[in-house]
Amino acid sequence: SYDLTQPPSVSVSPGQTAIITCSGHKLGDKFVSWYVQKPGQSPALVIYEDTKRPSGIPERFSGSNSGNTATLTISGPQALDEGDYYCQAWGSSAVVFGGGTKLTVL
Amino acid sequence: QVQLVQSGAEVKKPGASVRVSCKASGYGLTDHFMHWVRQAPGQGLQWLGRINPNSTETNFAQNFQGRVTMTRDTSINTATMELTRLTNADTAVYYCATSMLGASGGAFDLWGRGTLVIVSS
Repeated sequence: SYDLTQPPSVSVSPGQTAIITCSGHKLGDKFVSWYVQKPGQSPALVIYEDTKRPSGIPERFSGSNSGNTATLTISGPQALDEGDYYCQAWGSSAVVFGGGTKLTVL
Repeated sequence: QVQLVQSGAEVKKPGASVRVSCKASGYGLTDHFMHWVRQAPGQGLQWLGRINPNSTETNFAQNFQGRVTMTRDTSINTATMELTRLTNADTAVYYCATSMLGASGGAFDLWGRGTLVIVSS
């Protein structure tokens, strides 16, 4: 089976840049999506096809994907950006999610 | 308003089956694949499978092969997921989700609110 690995947690100050990684074998050959989930809510898409932002997602969210690692970058994160972030890709004919990263904005 | 409306919470005994429905509102069910994802308490997201509402073709995650069924009723614009031989480990919130973007690689931009399924004796 195909696995995606994320750090369990990332902490960042509002003026800094939050970087969340997602690792998988030859992940750069696949399209990666990113979701944020806040307590009691359904996941929400923030990045798709590695770098694209859905309508309504702020420009401070960006993504990249190369080699074995995809990255979600949040420039100048705000308190409302706190939540659990999941990467997702297709692997071995199945949708795969990373284990999730809890983002804390200090 | 485009949305996915899921059925209400369920409490089931071990060994039983559960059916969760997902009604597409504001768009045609056959326009997009429907996926099912679950989340156990305090855990991450786990994909169960998907159905092509046009052809009824299904693809399931290996962990659920033989235990999950996905169907659709186009007359009521509704997709249904049934999970059998439930155990305590199946206690989770079950989501339906779809990609309205038509993007590659998944990109689920529309999610239901989730259906809590509790398995307990």
